[in-house]
Amino acid sequence: GENVEQHPSTLSVQEGDSAVIKCTYSDSASNYFPWYKQELGKRPQLIIDIRSNVGEKKDQRIAVTLNKTAKHFSLHITETQPEDSAVYFCAADNTGNQFYFGTGTSLTVIP
Amino acid sequence: GAGVSQSPSNKVTEKGKDVELRCDPISGHTALYWYRQSLGQGLEFLIYFQGNSAPDKSGLPSDRFSAERTGGSVSTLTIQRTQQEDSAVYLCASSLVRGQAPQHFGDGTRLSIL
Repeated sequence: GENVEQHPSTLSVQEGDSAVIKCTYSDSASNYFPWYKQELGKRPQLIIDIRSNVGEKKDQRIAVTLNKTAKHFSLHITETQPEDSAVYFCAADNTGNQFYFGTGTSLTVIP
Repeated sequence: GAGVSQSPSNKVTEKGKDVELRCDPISGHTALYWYRQSLGQGLEFLIYFQGNSAPDKSGLPSDRFSAERTGGSVSTLTIQRTQQEDSAVYLCASSLVRGQAPQHFGDGTRLSIL
């Protein structure tokens, strides 16, 4: 099966700075990589995803990059705001139904 | 409401008892997932249903776990002879079609085994 590792486990940034969260995966057949945001006590929310036929995708202040050769993908948040504070999870899938999740990154944006 | 609904929201039970967790997905969503989230951990895949196809049960941790989805809608996850390590938040999610990442999660059922 797939093994997804996520780093760092915790991340603190000053408001306005950028935050980067990195994930690696083990199964070279994985081709779909969603990212989730989970605020304290709330349900996970799908915020962005990328498929293996593209190397980068942007949505306003959020971007994801994918390096298939190295089997890693990253989430970039620019101009961070306090409301970006949450736990972020990456995931990888190669079957269309088994999404394997990383262990999460707790992001704190300091005002 | 139009979201994924799970019940109960909290369940406390004694070790050895059976529990049943319910998920009501968004109407029309053909894909339904069950995940387990332990404290401070990521989401662990349990089972996936797609329409009327046979479910992908490969994530179920033991034969004490089973799930069904009746009529392509409501799903029930059953844990028999519960153990303390079963304590976790059980999350259900649905997506409109196969191949999409779990789009809409429920609030989960927090299961505590005493």
